[in-house]
Amino acid sequence: GEDVEQSLFLSVREGDSSVINCTYTDSSSTYLYWYKQEPGAGLQLLTYIFSNMDMKQDQRLTVLLNKKDKHLSLRIADSQTGDSAIYFCAESIRRGSTLGRLYFGRGTQLTVWP
Amino acid sequence: DSGVTQTPKHLITATGQRVTLRCSPRSGDLSVYWYQQSLDQGLQFLIQYYNGEERAKGNILERFSAQQFPDLHSELNLSSLELGDSALYFCASTTDGLFTDTQYFGPGTRLTVL
Repeated sequence: GEDVEQSLFLSVREGDSSVINCTYTDSSSTYLYWYKQEPGAGLQLLTYIFSNMDMKQDQRLTVLLNKKDKHLSLRIADSQTGDSAIYFCAESIRRGSTLGRLYFGRGTQLTVWP
Repeated sequence: DSGVTQTPKHLITATGQRVTLRCSPRSGDLSVYWYQQSLDQGLQFLIQYYNGEERAKGNILERFSAQQFPDLHSELNLSSLELGDSALYFCASTTDGLFTDTQYFGPGTRLTVL
């Protein structure tokens, strides 16, 4: 199946870096996404990376992809209390009948302490 | 704001009832996806429509159905509701509905079945 695994909880201090990890199982061409969900809110797209890339940086966010190990990480530099939320890793797989559907991990609850 | 709108925001109903959830995609997007988020199952793909036609089906129960109208808005119909159907239902939209397409999510409809 298409399993996306994440650790459930992460706590860091304000100003530290947060690193959220994700593993996926499908080795087909994929796009991998990070979404953020704040309490009572929808899913906000943070960033994405294609499976032929190793790294992508966008302001405080750095995505690293290790294709060999099927491991994806999201690093948030200088974490702020406003970064506290649930972060979802998701995979979109090239497969005929399923086209663009996303496979989600269970989400990582990030808590940033002041 | 992703540009995807969903109504209603909250819905409370009783077991055995039928409800309709509505989604308007971003301007110009032709494809709509429905996802269910529950505590035990996480985020699960239900169904995808592209330009009025069903394109892909996921873990959607037979009691649930959806359609996409000529103006591209979509409705998800849930009937014979059970307690276990209580969840957050998200709609997402993309331009083409391919695996390369980035999905933008609406704020969700929280359904509570009593």
